[in-house]
Amino acid sequence: EPEVTQTPSHQVTQMGQEVILRCVPISNHLYFYWYRQILGQKVEFLVSFYNNEISEKSEIFDDQFSVERPDGSNFTLKIRSTKLEDSAMYFCASIGSVQSFSGNTIYFGEGSWLTVV
Amino acid sequence: RKEVEQDPGPFNVPEGATVAFNCTYSNSASQSFFWYRQDCRKEPKLLMSVYSSGNEDGRFTAQLNRASQYISLLIRDSKLSDSATYLCVVTSLGFQKLVFGTGTRLLVSP
Repeated sequence: EPEVTQTPSHQVTQMGQEVILRCVPISNHLYFYWYRQILGQKVEFLVSFYNNEISEKSEIFDDQFSVERPDGSNFTLKIRSTKLEDSAMYFCASIGSVQSFSGNTIYFGEGSWLTVV
Repeated sequence: RKEVEQDPGPFNVPEGATVAFNCTYSNSASQSFFWYRQDCRKEPKLLMSVYSSGNEDGRFTAQLNRASQYISLLIRDSKLSDSATYLCVVTSLGFQKLVFGTGTRLLVSP
């Protein structure tokens, strides 16, 4: 089965440091997402990315966050100056078709667990 | 009102029981509906899509009521391995984002 891969699986960083989380979506997919889940809370949408630009972003996704697809395969989430409350599991996801959602599967990566200390 | 609401549970049931979860959504323009399963500290995994006519996959049955804006999931003959959190997921027009409910935790005991 195709899979979305994420690195690192776990990162500990000091408050104020920059973090880059990396994702390799499934190769022929077109839509990419970042979600986060604070421990014990629900999965929250951060941003969607299509055709090399942000399609939609949530209010959580402020100036501290950025995404890019630097080389056509990797899809990265950068957190510029981490805060304690950024500690969460960050999930990358991708989907193949934008023509028909029904019947398509959104594939999630295994997540990157970020701990800010 | 939350975009997607679920009873967080937990639902504690014995093996073999039938259990039902409901989910309500606030955006009447929502187009696609899914149930995902999430194990502790793992990624969400698609359990099933939810179609207007209702659909069944083995022990799992999903229903959609657009008029009342709710979705249901029925699990028959519960197994220990069904213990997980079940996430109701809704999309709006296009694929810009999925909206997740808080999830309903199911614990199946021997």
